[in-house]
Amino acid sequence: NAGVTQTPKFHILKTGQSMTLQCAQDMNHGYLSWYRQDPGMGLRRIHYSVAAGITDKGEVPDGYNVSRSNTEDFPLRLESAAPSQTSVYFCASSSLEEGSFFGYTFGSGTRLTVV
Amino acid sequence: AQTVTQSQPEMSVQEAETVTLSCTYDTSESDYYLFWYKQPPSRQMILVIRQEAYKQQNATENRFSVNFQKAAKSFSLKISDSQLGDAAMYFCAYRFLFQGAQKLVFGQGTRLTINP
Repeated sequence: NAGVTQTPKFHILKTGQSMTLQCAQDMNHGYLSWYRQDPGMGLRRIHYSVAAGITDKGEVPDGYNVSRSNTEDFPLRLESAAPSQTSVYFCASSSLEEGSFFGYTFGSGTRLTVV
Repeated sequence: AQTVTQSQPEMSVQEAETVTLSCTYDTSESDYYLFWYKQPPSRQMILVIRQEAYKQQNATENRFSVNFQKAAKSFSLKISDSQLGDAAMYFCAYRFLFQGAQKLVFGQGTRLTINP
């Protein structure tokens, strides 16, 4: 089924460790983004990309890095995890063409706990 | 600043009844999209309904409909004939273009409970 695939679904990380959350889409969407979801705060955008080689900061980028080497993949990296990064992470994609924009497709999320 | 406010952290309704979830937003844009997303315990974000700001007609999707009041910047979701499967967290979201780049802003969410 076409959509956005996120891995892993769950992970526990120790403070100071690094890890990469994976995101892959197969809908040929140009726009990819990462969000974090925290209780009472909705979803907040971390980073986004509009094409391979082009990334930009969202509203809460500190402590996270992204890269985009092709259309399909958009990994999110935590270089040195902190307890404040305990959250549920979502990858979302959409068409960049306004004429074909219908909304955002979300991955199933990654629950990350930093201890 | 562009913000989305859902003033009801929790709502509950009897099965088969109608419930309305409220959402207001702050914007200076004239062209944008509004969405309602459902998040059941599975955590998946599911698009329930969307509204394009230039359309005056309220969007409907089966038992789900919206009351879009552009001047008042209000976008409420009405769920008719509530079903147990409607129990979830509901998020209102607003999408606009800022300096050519798209931006999606979410409200804080409303947790909906369906009582059998």
